[in-house]
Amino acid sequence: EAQVTQNPRYLITVTGKKLTVTCSQNMNHEYMSWYRQDPGLGLRQIYYSMNVEVTDKGDVPEGYKVSRKEKRNFPLILESPSPNQTSLYFCASSQQSMNTEAFFGQGTRLTVV
Amino acid sequence: QKEVEQDPGPLSVPEGAIVSLNCTYSNSAFQYFMWYRQYSRKGPELLMYTYSSGNKEDGRFTAQVDKSSKYISLFIRDSQPSDSATYLCAMSGDTGGFKTIFGAGTRLFVKA
Repeated sequence: EAQVTQNPRYLITVTGKKLTVTCSQNMNHEYMSWYRQDPGLGLRQIYYSMNVEVTDKGDVPEGYKVSRKEKRNFPLILESPSPNQTSLYFCASSQQSMNTEAFFGQGTRLTVV
Repeated sequence: QKEVEQDPGPLSVPEGAIVSLNCTYSNSAFQYFMWYRQYSRKGPELLMYTYSSGNKEDGRFTAQVDKSSKYISLFIRDSQPSDSATYLCAMSGDTGGFKTIFGAGTRLFVKA
């Protein structure tokens, strides 16, 4: 089954404690991206990757890091989480370079206290 | 001003109604226009995408793009209670890169 898998689905952490949210896709897609979703603001793109070792900033990259060492995986790293990073996070992948047919993961609800 | 504006609703309609959902945008460089549906506690799923201007139809769904007015629409015919969800418009193809910009989403309720 074609899917994008995120882990964990739910996470509560404390300010400053480094964390990683993993994302894996089994569709051999080249394009992957991370979004956060907040009430009233919709989905905002954090980072995207057009292929292995190629990443670029989206609209809200501050406080986040990503890496793309393998085609299937695109982890999101919060080196020093802060409460304003409490949000619902989605990973997505797409075969199309313009991200026109993106498959989304189920989401990770992160709370930073 | 946001790059993409979308009325958050909620929009409530009776079953069988024609639903019209809309977004406006400011960046004339957008070339790809998408509509996603998101059920509660789920990730968005792609409904349709359109390249440049024009219409595209898929079953009960029709997407329209008017680049001259910077306005896109999604029409749902014969709406069903199962269509109750949040609908997100999205755009990409900006000359600045491969970013995708989403609208805030419109919550739709279809009453049986």
